[in-house]
Amino acid sequence: DAKTTQPNSMESNEEEPVHLPCNHSTISGTDYIHWYRQLPSQGPEYVIHGLTSNVNNRMASLAIAEDRKSSTLILHRATLRDAAVYYCILRSNTGNQFYFGTGTSLTVIP
Amino acid sequence: NAGVTQTPKFRILKIGQSMTLQCTQDMNHNYMYWYRQDPGMGLKLIYYSVGAGITDKGEVPNGYNVSRSTTEDFPLRLELAAPSQTSVYFCASSYSVAGAGELFFGEGSRLTVL
Repeated sequence: DAKTTQPNSMESNEEEPVHLPCNHSTISGTDYIHWYRQLPSQGPEYVIHGLTSNVNNRMASLAIAEDRKSSTLILHRATLRDAAVYYCILRSNTGNQFYFGTGTSLTVIP
Repeated sequence: NAGVTQTPKFRILKIGQSMTLQCTQDMNHNYMYWYRQDPGMGLKLIYYSVGAGITDKGEVPNGYNVSRSTTEDFPLRLELAAPSQTSVYFCASSYSVAGAGELFFGEGSRLTVL
């Protein structure tokens, strides 16, 4: 599976939007882009995924670059509950594995 | 639905002991995974299974064994426990073979080997 690159940490003020970037320059045409987050002392939870088009759900939005070599997870209004480690993962249509990197640790400042 | 259930939640082992971490899911998912997470680190894939009777190695399989006799259960066996296996272990399952399938995780099993 292709690798992803994320910043180690980011900070955001409460109630402001947060843009979490992910680079995946070796992405293939069948790779889906997944985002998960892990709250302290919990297992990871699914946030959002997409293939080519931008996606919105109740938790976040996913903006995918036109060449698909990067993507951005957007939290529209950060809350203290959004403080977590966010993982960007690629999963191929034929691959069986999910490989997690080290993710981005998001701190939300009250 | 209970989702993915892991037992035990906590366990302390002595060096050289063996144990099995249990994982069961009630969502009829074909795909199941075991990860370990060391303090301050990301998740590493240990083993995965694409269906009953089929398992395969992930990134860090040494020191572990798995079996998948039913769709619901995917136990992880630690033989001859070592301090390097001190970690939090997560089981996960996925409902689709296609890239869109999302992972559902259990709450984790915290293992300490002394």
